[in-house]
Amino acid sequence: GAGVSQSPRYKVAKRGQDVALRCDPISGHVSLFWYQQALGQGPEFLTYFQNEAQLDKSGLPSDRFFAERPEGSVSTLKIQRTQQEDSAVYLCASSLGASGGFYNEQFFGPGTRLTVL
Amino acid sequence: QQPVQSPQAVILREGEDAVINCSSSKALYSVHWYRQKHGEAPVFLMILLKGGEQKGHDKISASFNEKKQQSSLYLTASQLSYSGTYFCGTVNPYSGAGSYQLTFGKGTKLSVIP
Repeated sequence: GAGVSQSPRYKVAKRGQDVALRCDPISGHVSLFWYQQALGQGPEFLTYFQNEAQLDKSGLPSDRFFAERPEGSVSTLKIQRTQQEDSAVYLCASSLGASGGFYNEQFFGPGTRLTVL
Repeated sequence: QQPVQSPQAVILREGEDAVINCSSSKALYSVHWYRQKHGEAPVFLMILLKGGEQKGHDKISASFNEKKQQSSLYLTASQLSYSGTYFCGTVNPYSGAGSYQLTFGKGTKLSVIP
């Protein structure tokens, strides 16, 4: 299918390790979002890209979190020196228009479940 | 500001109706509704862009009351496939943050039983 894909689907890391989570959005989608979803909660915004430009990173919880989308398609969310509180599902979503989620639906990937031991 | 959803959980028998509410303390400009089944990605249901707008999708419809700063999702003649957690997401294009990020509520868990 042509949906949003994420890899890996599951990641177990020891506290202090660095991890990289990948998102392949739907081809041609301008907007890309990263969300963090804790168990039993709604997704929480982390960061937004319009093509390769990171226009909003206000949701990143600390400077250990870093995201990039260098060519305006695939995006990587990197977490350095992981902590137990980073354990969550990380969702990626893409949207067709440049207005992000205002006018257009967001298509979500299946997520990466990160467990930090 | 996170929107508030109610109820937190509801159990229905097949064929029964349900209403899920989403309210905000701030002005609403755009309301999105998603359904997420356990272990799966959230799936889009509908967007409401104007105050007073109503939309329908099969037996699921929604309304948007701009003045009351709330939206409601209506599920009629529920089916087993409706089970899941329903999230509303609100967008404030004037946040100044340069994006149209969705701020999701905590969700309403809907269980439909035979």
